[in-house]
Amino acid sequence: QVQLHESGPGLVKPSGTLSLTCAVSGGSISSDSWWSWVRQPPGTGLEWIGEIYHRGSTNYNPSLKSRVTISVDTSKNQFSLKLTSVTAADTAVYYCARVPTLTQPFDYWGQGTLVTVSS
Amino acid sequence: SYELTQPPSVSVSPGQTASITCSGDKLGDKYASWYRQKPGQSPVLVIYQDTKRPSGIPERFSGSNSGNTATLTISGTQAMDEADYYCQAWDSSTVVFGGGTKLTVL
Repeated sequence: QVQLHESGPGLVKPSGTLSLTCAVSGGSISSDSWWSWVRQPPGTGLEWIGEIYHRGSTNYNPSLKSRVTISVDTSKNQFSLKLTSVTAADTAVYYCARVPTLTQPFDYWGQGTLVTVSS
Repeated sequence: SYELTQPPSVSVSPGQTASITCSGDKLGDKYASWYRQKPGQSPVLVIYQDTKRPSGIPERFSGSNSGNTATLTISGTQAMDEADYYCQAWDSSTVVFGGGTKLTVL
């Protein structure tokens, strides 16, 4: 049973960089899976941020692509999200999730972590 | 960019059938998935590849996808089914979510 756990600062200042890590347990991040970040602003719907394969290939949401970097650390079995130049609109619960293979659905999700952008 | 449209809300009486639609250009040519999200919880996959149910999802959940519309159907709706439901599809190598539908069981 794969488990995902997000961690990182819960408060980020405007214009700063949001950084989160997702630790994977119960399975190898080097398996034939894609690892994603999804966010959900308070009271609204889900927004896909992007994904990474263990060999480093990435796909990003075009609307966020200029500010997003997703990276993977296979030695630590984890992957990370960096979102630059944040504003209050980036306040959201951030989830990490797994797709078993590209174009398949998300089968495992983390519990989510709330990140607030405020001074 | 590709968009998926869902009704903001659907209401159903206990024991009746609830249908939630998801519309997108030629959505029937893609696979649709559906997620259930209860307040304060992570989304849970309830339907994938249009019609398949993951292990542990009750048989009252079913799906279809044709033309421009995918539909999630919940037969014999129970109070525990009250939640937000999101459709999802892949467009090239990117993920698209619908805006979500709040299902209320009155």
